[in-house]
Amino acid sequence: DVQMTQSPSSVSASVGDRVTITCRASQGIGTWLAWYQQKPGKAPKVLIYAASSLQSGVPSRFSGRGSGTDFSLTISSLQPEDFATYYCQQGNNFPFTFGPGTKVDIK
Amino acid sequence: QLQLQESDSGLVRPSQTLSLTCAISGDSISSGGFSWNWIRQPPGKALEWIGYIYQSGTSSYNPSLRGRVTMTIDRSRNQFYLHLKSVTAADTAVYYCARESPDSSGSPFFDYWGRGSLVTVSS
Repeated sequence: DVQMTQSPSSVSASVGDRVTITCRASQGIGTWLAWYQQKPGKAPKVLIYAASSLQSGVPSRFSGRGSGTDFSLTISSLQPEDFATYYCQQGNNFPFTFGPGTKVDIK
Repeated sequence: QLQLQESDSGLVRPSQTLSLTCAISGDSISSGGFSWNWIRQPPGKALEWIGYIYQSGTSSYNPSLRGRVTMTIDRSRNQFYLHLKSVTAADTAVYYCARESPDSSGSPFFDYWGRGSLVTVSS
């Protein structure tokens, strides 16, 4: 299986901050990576697919980049509704695998 | 608007079979080249992909489940199903159904999710 790791595991930030989360795959996955946001008690919501494509309806403050094994998700100016847990997911190899998550909470 | 809805949360006894239904509304399960997936999340933990099924009945499962999982589909009811046998406490999780929608390059991602169904395995 392709192992996904994320860093940091948690980050405390303030409204307006720029936040970057990284995701690393144990082997190259091209750009077949997606990012999800999950709030407590809710299903995940896709933000980014194909490493850098913004899903329809997602605010442009979210952006993704990377290829191969190293990826990042950036929130350019953190908003109150962005406090959540973020997961990366690879789709290059079966089984699809997710990262362990990064929790973004209020400083 | 496409909606997915898992069957109700519940309790399953150890060694028994967990069965869940995902009901689709707003579109036909047979439309498009989508796969229909199950994903689970143990309390406080990360997401785990269980497997997918296509409207043709073709399926693929996570090897970590060691042959315990079966997915089926009923196009007439616009539903698909998860069966997980020989459950243990480690199978306690919120189970989500989700649609996988590859983009133009083929990169797969899950664009529609159900709200989730909590299944607790306990005697």
